[in-house]
Amino acid sequence: EAGVAQSPRYKIIEKRQSVAFWCNPISGHATLYWYQQILGQGPKLLIQFQNNGVVDDSQLPKDRFSAERLKGVDSTLKIQPAKLEDSAVYLCASSRLDRHSEQFFGPGTRLTVL
Amino acid sequence: AQSVAQPEDQVNVAEGNPLTVKCTYSVSGNPYLFWYVQYPNRGLQFLLKYITGDNLVKGSYGFEAEFNKSQTSFHLKKPSALVSDSALYFCAVRDRDQAGTALIFGKGTTLSVSS
Repeated sequence: EAGVAQSPRYKIIEKRQSVAFWCNPISGHATLYWYQQILGQGPKLLIQFQNNGVVDDSQLPKDRFSAERLKGVDSTLKIQPAKLEDSAVYLCASSRLDRHSEQFFGPGTRLTVL
Repeated sequence: AQSVAQPEDQVNVAEGNPLTVKCTYSVSGNPYLFWYVQYPNRGLQFLLKYITGDNLVKGSYGFEAEFNKSQTSFHLKKPSALVSDSALYFCAVRDRDQAGTALIFGKGTTLSVSS
């Protein structure tokens, strides 16, 4: 079974520029998550999709971050404009619908904002 | 509000010795509890979970964890550590009784196993 795919793996941009990340979840997983992991901290949920609807985006900085999941499969996360404090690893994860199902994580995208 | 505490930033153990990585949690209802491991430049890998039933949960790579409701703890254990177990370990909790609640992660504990 193929895992969660993410691209790019690394991205360096200057502040005020825009950036987009892509995620392809495990086939058949209805739920998709985007997390932000700042160095030295655990992952923090940014947004959760169930199929192509948003379940939780309460911690997404909506003035600069946006995400979509078209057709309930792939997802993109965008930051526009980026700030220095957005430097982090952005993790995508997917799971089955059950609330007790474990999440499977992609390798992450390491973003550096200069 | 949900929270997870991993009181140790780092745990050091010699190869062959038992290891314990501590985790305590706080939820208003009943918990689902998870342990994940992260190797450098890799995503998180699932190790084990507690849903209900037996308080001792066995997972991947010889790891196990014990759910203790009275102490609100879910410590990760392994009887005999390997150098290859050296990694960053995260405990996570979700409130079983509140729909829509997110999975909350601790800050992580770095396990270092010396040969």
